[in-house]
Amino acid sequence: DAGVIQSPRHEVTEMGQEVTLRCKPISGHNSLFWYRQTMMRGLELLIYFNNNVPIDDSGMPEDRFSAKMPNASFSTLKIQPSEPRDSAVYFCASSLGPENEQFFGPGTRLTVL
Amino acid sequence: GDSVTQMEGPVTLSEEAFLTINCTYTATGYPSLFWYVQYPGEGLQLLLKATKADDKGSNKGFEATYRKETTSFHLEKGSVQVSDSAVYFCALNQGGKLIFGQGTELSVKP
Repeated sequence: DAGVIQSPRHEVTEMGQEVTLRCKPISGHNSLFWYRQTMMRGLELLIYFNNNVPIDDSGMPEDRFSAKMPNASFSTLKIQPSEPRDSAVYFCASSLGPENEQFFGPGTRLTVL
Repeated sequence: GDSVTQMEGPVTLSEEAFLTINCTYTATGYPSLFWYVQYPGEGLQLLLKATKADDKGSNKGFEATYRKETTSFHLEKGSVQVSDSAVYFCALNQGGKLIFGQGTELSVKP
């Protein structure tokens, strides 16, 4: 199994630009999670999906952030417009169900200049 | 709200030393508890877990016991190796949401 796949691994962009992060969960997993990791705030859950439906988006910082899961094998996290304070490592994780072990991708390191 | 508190790092040990990383939690009910490890430049990997009180999770020489009475899940290893150098995260799962501690960096010197 390839594990959770994220792209790109690194993204450098300028303030105001749109950024799209991509995630392919492990085949057969029904739950997908987006996390953000920063030095100041640690690891935070942004949003999670169950069977492609957003269940809890209370961690999404503001309207500039949006996430979609159009099918069971793909999800995106979009930031528009991006700001320097969005610089962080963004992780995607998937699991068989919300209460099961979560498998993490390698992360996308985002730098907004 | 639910929360997880870990001992602050960094923790620096010599090879073959005994390791303890303290973790306590606040939660409603009895959530599942986890230890994740993050090696430099990588994502998190599950190290071990416990789903109910008095359960002991173990993996790769690491152990942690779910202590309901002290709301703790301390991570231990009898003899650390240089390859154990990483950041360790304690977490609880409450209704599908993983809530993490702040992480403890471990550095093991030869």
